[in-house]
This record gives sequence, structure tokens and C-alpha cells, in this order.
Amino acid sequence: NAGVTQTPKFRVLKTGQSMTLLCAQDMNHEYMYWYRQDPGMGLRLIHYSVGEGTTAKGEVPDGYNVSRLKKQNFLLGLESAAPSQTSVYFCASSGGLAKNIQYFGAGTRLSVL
Amino acid sequence: QQPVQSPQAVILREGEDAVINCSSSKALYSVHWYRQKHGEAPVFLMILLKGGEQKGHEKISASFNEKKQQSSLYLTASQLSYSGTYFCGTERSGGSQGNLIFGKGTKLSVKP
Repeated sequence: NAGVTQTPKFRVLKTGQSMTLLCAQDMNHEYMYWYRQDPGMGLRLIHYSVGEGTTAKGEVPDGYNVSRLKKQNFLLGLESAAPSQTSVYFCASSGGLAKNIQYFGAGTRLSVL
Repeated sequence: QQPVQSPQAVILREGEDAVINCSSSKALYSVHWYRQKHGEAPVFLMILLKGGEQKGHEKISASFNEKKQQSSLYLTASQLSYSGTYFCGTERSGGSQGNLIFGKGTKLSVKP
């Protein structure tokens, strides 16, 4: 039982490059979330999804896009990376009987030079 | 809108107790507590719902004062394994689809 899996674990980008972070969950959860974590800032919600084919903006959505074409996958895209997007990105999912509990992936450490 | 956690950091000796507070300027529906060890993902500890009781998890318990819009996490007889950063996440309504606004965290260090 893998839970929530994020790929890649690490990535270095140059300013202006694009990339996609993949989040996959095997718990059949309805809800999925993307957070960024910066030193001293806690976890800030970027985008979230309440089901396949639906997405919505969180606290800090600018510069990011998301898609949820399949229930188990939630993709986070950076179209034109900026140094301000250097961060650790966490994906989480929740649903089922314990819908209030969010299960987090191991994170993706992204550096934009 | 981000809840305020206090203290920002605390250092304990094994066996000592600690209290971590989480305050919001807005009315809350629920408060969630997570712990994150260094280099790892956050892990759920407990949730306190509006109108609910004080919750417990091993020697870690929490309370939720709806009128004061604040929650407190109590760690008793701390163990080395309690070290990490504790985050509270607040939910303003029951229909918010699990969207949490997290505080900046409280770093807890337990020394032998």
C-alpha cells in the first residue's frame, strides 16, 4: 500500500523552464491538494480538487496550473518557473470514511536558478 | 487569516510537558493538528470539531475553545520521538471540502 506518491523527489530548473509534478494516490480518495512549504511559512495551499475533472484555487495559485484527469492522479504544472517558486511541494489526499484526515506524500524539493 | 501559533519554538527535556497554542481571528469549524519530523511529510495527529470534545492521542491531547477561536495541543511526559514541527490547520466551515489554512508551525525539540 503506497499511499501518496510524488515524483520527482528533487528537481533543479532554470528560470523560464517548465515542468510537471505528479501526485498519485492509491486510496481512492476524492480530494487532493497541492501545498508549498517555505521556511517559516508553514504549508500554503496552491490548488485542490474535490473530484476527477474538477480543480480550484487555494491561497497561492499564481504561476501554477493543475489537472485531475484521473481520480488517482493530480498534476501540478509550472509553465515558466521563477526563483520565487523554489520550495518544497507536498501533495495530499483525503476521502472515504476519514475524509478529514489528509495523507501527505514525501514531497518534491524544487530549486529554480 | 493564517492562524497564529505560539510559541514558535520550544526545547524540552525528556519527561517535561509542553503546550502549543493556535489562535484564529475568524470563527472556526474545526482545528486539525499535524506533526512533521525533519525531512519528512506531515502526519495527522487529531482533529477537533466545533461542539466536540477534547481529543487524545497517546500522551498528546488537545482542546478547542470555539468562543475564543483557539486550540491548544498538550504534550505530557515528552519523549524523544515527539521532536518535530507541529502545525495547526483551521477550517472555517464544514463545507470547505477539507481546505485547511495552516499556521507557521511550532518547532519542538526534546533533549535526553
